[in-house]
Amino acid sequence: NAGVTQTPKFQVLKTGQSMTLQCAQDMNHEYMSWYRQDPGMGLRLIHYSVGAGITDQGEVPNGYNVSRSTTEDFPLRLLSAAPSQTSVYFCASSHLSTGGYGYTFGSGTRLTVV
Amino acid sequence: AQSVTQLDSQVPVFEEAPVELRCNYSSSVSVYLFWYVQYPNQGLQLLLKYLSGSTLVESINGFEAEFNKSQTSFHLRKPSVHISDTAEYFCAVSLRTGANNLFFGTGTRLTVIP
Repeated sequence: NAGVTQTPKFQVLKTGQSMTLQCAQDMNHEYMSWYRQDPGMGLRLIHYSVGAGITDQGEVPNGYNVSRSTTEDFPLRLLSAAPSQTSVYFCASSHLSTGGYGYTFGSGTRLTVV
Repeated sequence: AQSVTQLDSQVPVFEEAPVELRCNYSSSVSVYLFWYVQYPNQGLQLLLKYLSGSTLVESINGFEAEFNKSQTSFHLRKPSVHISDTAEYFCAVSLRTGANNLFFGTGTRLTVIP
């Protein structure tokens, strides 16, 4: 099925642990991004990519790393998890030509850091 | 820089009553405008978009939004809500040039009361 696939759906980490949130899309979208959703704060952009080998920071990049080695995959790495990173994470993708309205969102990863 | 303000964090409304969810934005350049909806425990879905042309845009499920350039607003309305409209609604903007990044408001939780 075409779309954006995020794994895992749920994760509990201890403070200081590292992990990678996976995101894959099969629509040949050039643009991919990661958002975090926190109550009362909406969605905030963490990192984004406009093509393989190209990444850039969003509004809240601290504590997160990304890479884009293929068009399909855009993993998000937490290097040393902190309780402040407890959130729901969404990956999204689109064609660059759609100017923001052709987004497809993944179903989210709910991360708890204890 | 651009920002989106949703003044109402929660809006309770009785079934079959009208509703308006308010959205104001600020940007030094031209933007596209969007409303996204998030049903409980799901990802985000595009509800409607304003790209250009007619300032009144409609969705397939009865919602409409009007772009008001002078007031920099993009309020969402529905003349008669249904129980199934219970969800969180996010207003968002993206720039007309450059990367596809979406900038979201903090969201409005619409609760339809039977």
